[in-house]
Amino acid sequence: DTGVSQDPRHKITKRGQNVTFRCDPISEHNRLYWYRQTLGQGPEFLTYFQNEAQLEKSRLLSDRFSAERPKGSFSTLEIQRTEQGDSAMYLCASSLALGTGSRDEQFFGPGTRLTVL
Amino acid sequence: GENVEQHPSTLSVQEGDSAVIKCTYSDSASNYFPWYKQELGKRPQLIIDIRSNVGEKKDQRIAVTLNKTAKHFSLHITETQPEDSAVYFCAAPLKTSYDKVIFGPGTSLSVIP
Repeated sequence: DTGVSQDPRHKITKRGQNVTFRCDPISEHNRLYWYRQTLGQGPEFLTYFQNEAQLEKSRLLSDRFSAERPKGSFSTLEIQRTEQGDSAMYLCASSLALGTGSRDEQFFGPGTRLTVL
Repeated sequence: GENVEQHPSTLSVQEGDSAVIKCTYSDSASNYFPWYKQELGKRPQLIIDIRSNVGEKKDQRIAVTLNKTAKHFSLHITETQPEDSAVYFCAAPLKTSYDKVIFGPGTSLSVIP
């Protein structure tokens, strides 16, 4: 499978615990995005990378959230001290950006569904 | 501000009829407008997109029209089929120091056989 993959697909955790998700983009893609999606809503932008550089982080993202893409390939999203409000689907997407701007098709992964008890 | 709106939020049509979903955006500098389809339990997938230098783009039964003056673009699906039932999201990139994409809240389309 050469598409975007995410691991794990499901995560159940207790409030206060830390969780880490992984995203493997399509290999030649230089851009990687993280979104959060709750039921009945569109994907909500969290952050994105161009190669290993994190270019922007949503103002909605608290300091409990951090993302890395150390070698410009896979990325991890960590949530510290999880809260029940963090329960959502976390989607990763990648694209091949040939210039400035996000005018390129984003390919989404299957998502990681987080449930915080 | 950063805002992408979509209307209607839900839409039911009879099989064979047309469906139209409208999206409005706030950033006049936006220049790329994709539409994504998300079936239940699946990931969003791009179905069509349009760039700001054209007013309309068509791909078989789906088309997108863009009105940059009014800052809105619409998805048109003709001869709808039950497999068109899904949630459709529009999106628009915003010109910040680096671009990011803002998705609309989605339109749930039901095609009734």
